Amino acid sequence: GAVVSQHPSWVICKSGTSVKIECRSLDFQATTMFWYRQFPKQSLMLMATSNEGSKATYEQGVEKDKFLINHASLTLSTLTVTSAHPEDSSFYICSARDPGLAIGELFFGEGSRLTVL
Amino acid sequence: GQQVMQIPQYQHVQEGEDFTTYCNSSTTLSNIQWYKQRPGGHPVFLIQLVKSGEVKKQKRLTFQFGEAKKNSSLHITATQTTDVGTYFCAGRGSNDYKLSFGAGTTVTVRA
Repeated sequence: GAVVSQHPSWVICKSGTSVKIECRSLDFQATTMFWYRQFPKQSLMLMATSNEGSKATYEQGVEKDKFLINHASLTLSTLTVTSAHPEDSSFYICSARDPGLAIGELFFGEGSRLTVL
Repeated sequence: GQQVMQIPQYQHVQEGEDFTTYCNSSTTLSNIQWYKQRPGGHPVFLIQLVKSGEVKKQKRLTFQFGEAKKNSSLHITATQTTDVGTYFCAGRGSNDYKLSFGAGTTVTVRA
């Protein structure tokens, strides 16, 4: 199946710093990628839809200036958590659909666990 | 958008027993997908249901889509330790490209 790679898997940063997370589709081109946040033992909360070559679409309640999304190519989307604070600590996970597949299932990256000290 | 509710949140099962997790949507869905997330891992696609009343089987897993296309279930027979993980349903509305995920059912198995 299609492969989505996410980096880094783990990141620990100091409060006030910014962290960038990369999401790559390795064997297909993804015009759209999705960024989720998952709290411990909870579901996947859609944060934003990343659109190649245009602005991301953010879900209600998600601060676009806080969570910067860039989708500069058909295989790479990045999420930057700016001025991170401890409450931003979470598991961030990206996903994408392979447009070549009829079903339209989501392929998820491995996730990035962010800890803000 | 639609909201997808999933129960139970936790399921502790004796090895060899059966269990079912249920999903309900506030609106009619165009399709519903199921994912499994192993502890420490990422969600992996299991199946998609599209038709009203559809039933699909994957070995010991049976997936159903309700007649009204507003609910779905996953039934696992003869649970094994490899079934441990969190099972999510995710529904897509008729006019929405986004998937709404249920809260997930976290399954633990006692040998």
